Amino acid sequence: SQELEQSPQSLIVQEGKNLTINCTSSKTLYGLYWYKQKYGEGLIFLMMLQKGGEEKSHEKITAKLDEKKQQSSLHITASQPSHAGIYLCGADKPRHPGAQKLVFGQGTRLTINP
Amino acid sequence: GAVVSQHPSWVICKSGTSVKIECRSLDFQATTMFWYRQFPKQSLMLMATSNEGSKATYEQGVEKDKFLINHASLTLSTLTVTSAHPEDSSFYICSALQSLYSNQPQHFGDGTRLSIL
Repeated sequence: SQELEQSPQSLIVQEGKNLTINCTSSKTLYGLYWYKQKYGEGLIFLMMLQKGGEEKSHEKITAKLDEKKQQSSLHITASQPSHAGIYLCGADKPRHPGAQKLVFGQGTRLTINP
Repeated sequence: GAVVSQHPSWVICKSGTSVKIECRSLDFQATTMFWYRQFPKQSLMLMATSNEGSKATYEQGVEKDKFLINHASLTLSTLTVTSAHPEDSSFYICSALQSLYSNQPQHFGDGTRLSIL
């Protein structure tokens, strides 16, 4: 079965600093999704990547999918307190590409210190 | 846009009772809805996929008689935890997808925290 490993598991960053979260798959990714979750709440969609080498940006967040489609990174520039939360990467199960039966990584807990 | 509402947000009930959780897409029609479960400090685990008007598809290890899913309309799916026991206590989250095999992501509700005493 596919596994997604996120690193680091937790991250404490001073406000204004840049940071990167990685998501590595044991198998080729068909679709890779980044979500943000506040503790005990639902998930907020951030970005979706499907093509090798693809890169998308929204406000201060940039997500990339490597050429081999086995690793994705999420980069936040000039972090703010509003960026704090748990970041989850999710991917389509290999046997169901495009069906969005998602497998999620264990999450990266981001804390922003003022 | 793409708002998914989940109700209730928190429920506490006695062991042996059944609990129903509703998931509604408020501003779009969802052909597919998903139900996930999340244990404390763990990631989301897909439980089942429901398509409007058809039987839900359950993931391996999920008891379909325990977790009844009904997707009665394009805006509503329900999860009923039958004869709930303390081990069923968890955070349940639904998501809704307008169209499969499209470039649209699934959107999540705010989750339901279920505590069985």
